[in-house]
Amino acid sequence: QLQMQESGPGLVKPSETLSLTCIVSGDSMRKNGYFWGWIRQPPGKGLEWIGSIYYSGTTHYNPSLKSRVTMSVDTAKTQFSLQLHSVTAADTAVYYCARHSDCSGGSCNSVPGYFHPWGQGSLVTVSS
Amino acid sequence: DIQMTQSPSTLSASVGDRVTITCRASQSISRWLAWYQQKPGKAPKLLIYKASNLESGVPSRFSGSGSGTEFTLTISSLQPDDFATYYCQQYNTNSYTFGQGTKLEMK
Repeated sequence: QLQMQESGPGLVKPSETLSLTCIVSGDSMRKNGYFWGWIRQPPGKGLEWIGSIYYSGTTHYNPSLKSRVTMSVDTAKTQFSLQLHSVTAADTAVYYCARHSDCSGGSCNSVPGYFHPWGQGSLVTVSS
Repeated sequence: DIQMTQSPSTLSASVGDRVTITCRASQSISRWLAWYQQKPGKAPKLLIYKASNLESGVPSRFSGSGSGTEFTLTISSLQPDDFATYYCQQYNTNSYTFGQGTKLEMK
């Protein structure tokens, strides 16, 4: 059964870089049609997609965050990572990783769709 | 970006009630819509994908319908475990957006 676990610092200073890693276990990251995504949720607010990456390194980023986001993947280590640069207090949130796909009946579309499953989330606070 | 608007923002209901949550897209998304349930302190959980496909293991009291710009999530007979916040998410484009959420609370 696929499981995902976020890890990284819980506190980041303003203007610095937020770095998180998602460790994937229970399935291969190299399956066709499966992207790997990051979503965040500020305290008491809704969900915002940050970006997604394919095992080949192909990325899709949220246009509103694209200038500050870098994602990478290491299929050998079965993990993928998020860097968010030049953070401010507005970047304080619970950050989730999730598999991002559009699969049914054993086949997947080439473009990802819904998020399932999700990691448990990692709270990152931006404060000096 | 495609904007997703859910209504109502808060819904008060009782165990056994039939409840419906609506999600509207700012432009047509065909049937590329998912629904999630989130409980406090927990990650969202996928309920439905492609507007009406029930994810494996999700109780059959949950159902989804709609296409184009208007979608609904229905819980046929509310159970105590269903009080949570529900989100819709569109995946028609390569910029994935969520609704603002509907909090389902006990009346």
